[in-house]
Amino acid sequence: DIQMTQSPSTLSASVGDRVTITCRASQSINSWLAWYQQKPGKAPKLLIYDASSLESGVPLRFSGSGSGTEFTLTISSLQPDDFATYYCQQYKNYPRTFGQGTKVEIK
Amino acid sequence: EVQLVESGGGLVQPGGSLRLSCAASGFTCSSYWMNWVRQAPGKGLEWVANIKQDGSEKYYVDSVKGRFTISRDNAKNSLYLQMNSLRADDTAVYYCARDMSSGAWPLVFDYWGQGTVVTVSS
Repeated sequence: DIQMTQSPSTLSASVGDRVTITCRASQSINSWLAWYQQKPGKAPKLLIYDASSLESGVPLRFSGSGSGTEFTLTISSLQPDDFATYYCQQYKNYPRTFGQGTKVEIK
Repeated sequence: EVQLVESGGGLVQPGGSLRLSCAASGFTCSSYWMNWVRQAPGKGLEWVANIKQDGSEKYYVDSVKGRFTISRDNAKNSLYLQMNSLRADDTAVYYCARDMSSGAWPLVFDYWGQGTVVTVSS
């Protein structure tokens, strides 16, 4: 199975901060990577697919980059609605696997 | 508007069975791969299974192989997960998720239901 490792596990930041979350794959997944946002008690929401394609309706402050084994999710200016947990997920191979999540907290 | 509504969760004893359902609306269900994804209490997301548009291909995570069966009824716009030989570590919120792909290769999960809770305990 492809292991996905996110860092950090928790991130404390303030409104307006630039935030970067890293996701590493245990083997190359080309650009077959997605990012999701999940708020407590809610279903995940797709933000980014194909490593850098923004899902329709997602604010432009979210961006993704990377290929191969290292990827990043960047929020250019953190907004109050962005405090949540973020997951990366690979879809190159079965089983589909997620990172353990990065919780973005209010500083 | 795309909507996915799960049902069928509940409390079941270890070794028991449960059948989850997902009612889809707002899109042509028969055109998309469909998935089940679960989340144990306080834990991360785990993909469980998916099924091709016509049901001809099904894939599972190893931990549920031989115990869970994914199926669909396109005429009823519905997805199912039959869960047998349930264990305590199957306790989770189970989400139905539409795959973005309407083609031959599944991609990512673009629409999710709100989930149904499965608790396996004596």
